Amino acid sequence: NAGVMQNPRHLVRRRGQEARLRCSPMKGHSHVYWYRQLPEEGLKFMVYLQKENIIDESGMPKERFSAEFPKEGPSILRIQQVVRGDSAAYFCASSPGRGAYGYTFGSGTRLTVV
Amino acid sequence: GENVEQHPSTLSVQEGDSAVIKCTYSDSASNYFPWYKQELGKGPQLIIDIRSNVGEKKDQRIAVTLNKTAKHFSLHITETQPEDSAVYFCEEDMRFGAGTRLTVKP
Repeated sequence: NAGVMQNPRHLVRRRGQEARLRCSPMKGHSHVYWYRQLPEEGLKFMVYLQKENIIDESGMPKERFSAEFPKEGPSILRIQQVVRGDSAAYFCASSPGRGAYGYTFGSGTRLTVV
Repeated sequence: GENVEQHPSTLSVQEGDSAVIKCTYSDSASNYFPWYKQELGKGPQLIIDIRSNVGEKKDQRIAVTLNKTAKHFSLHITETQPEDSAVYFCEEDMRFGAGTRLTVKP
């Protein structure tokens, strides 16, 4: 029973390129959450999605960032025209529902913008 | 879940001592309070949680207590061991506390 799978584990992009981060939730989980973590800092909420729907994107920058969770396939966090400040670890978590459920986290994608 | 305050930011204890981390939340309607442990280079892992209908929950050396009147919940680790060294986060409605770096000295 695989947990939350994130890929790639490490991603290097030049300034101005696009970054695509993928997350396959745990089997049976239909709720996905994306977080950003800078070194030595906490987890900053970005977006919460259910299948085919964005439920809460209040933590996501209005420009260059987008997320989706299609009916089939993994959830994707897309960052267009990356800048050095986008360098961080991006974690995905999943849960079977909203509310009184804990999250299962993936191992994260470490994005470095050079 | 707009604001979850977590204290202390760092905590150093001697092996065998107890460690306590506290979080204060803002939404009185919240009813689920988990704690996560994050080791270096890994994603956070749920270690214990509590629902609002109980005041305390224990799992071996870790426990969580909840005070709904004061709107805070705490993580207690007894008989600490070096492998307990990690960063611990509380969470309320998708928002995480700033984290506590616990160091257990052998």
